[in-house]
Amino acid sequence: EAGVVQSPRYKIIEKKQPVAFWCNPISGHNTLYWYLQNLGQGPELLIRYENEEAVDDSQLPKDRFSAERLKGVDSTLKIQPAELGDSAVYLCASSPSGGIEAFFGQGTRLTVV
Amino acid sequence: DQQVKQNSPSLSVQEGRISILNCDYTNSMFDYFLWYKKYPAEGPTFLISISSIKDKNEDGRFTVFLNKSAKHLSLHIVPSQPGDSAVYFCAASPQTGANNLFFGTGTRLTVIP
Repeated sequence: EAGVVQSPRYKIIEKKQPVAFWCNPISGHNTLYWYLQNLGQGPELLIRYENEEAVDDSQLPKDRFSAERLKGVDSTLKIQPAELGDSAVYLCASSPSGGIEAFFGQGTRLTVV
Repeated sequence: DQQVKQNSPSLSVQEGRISILNCDYTNSMFDYFLWYKKYPAEGPTFLISISSIKDKNEDGRFTVFLNKSAKHLSLHIVPSQPGDSAVYFCAASPQTGANNLFFGTGTRLTVIP
């Protein structure tokens, strides 16, 4: 069974530029998460989807971050414009509805210069 | 405010000995606890979990203990192997399931051959 797939693995952009991350969850997993992991910290939830509905986006900085999960499968996370402080690893995870554990992708390491 | 705390950023153990990783939490509404393991450049991988109705869960070399009155849990690895060297994250959820996982900052375990 294929795991959670994220792309790109690494991204370097200049500040004020836009950037987008893509995630393909495990087949059949209705719940999809985007987490942010800063250096030396644990992952922090940005947004959680149940199918195509964002059910928890309270931690998403909506002035510059946006996300979508069209058709309830793949998801994209966008930052526009990026700031130096956005440099971090962006992790996507999925689980079956009501699942006990989340399955994580390898993450996208973003560096803003 | 960090609701899940891992106060030891690193731990070194000799191969074959026991590794004990500790985690404390502050939110009494947490109902489910998980341990994740993370290798460099990979996403976190689920290791073991425990429900608040239990005080111990065992899976092969890995055992998690929960002390609800102390709001403390620990992960025991016996015997430790060099392949166990990784960063271990403790996570907690206020309800059964992976929704709204709160992570600690991680403990880097090094198993010395």
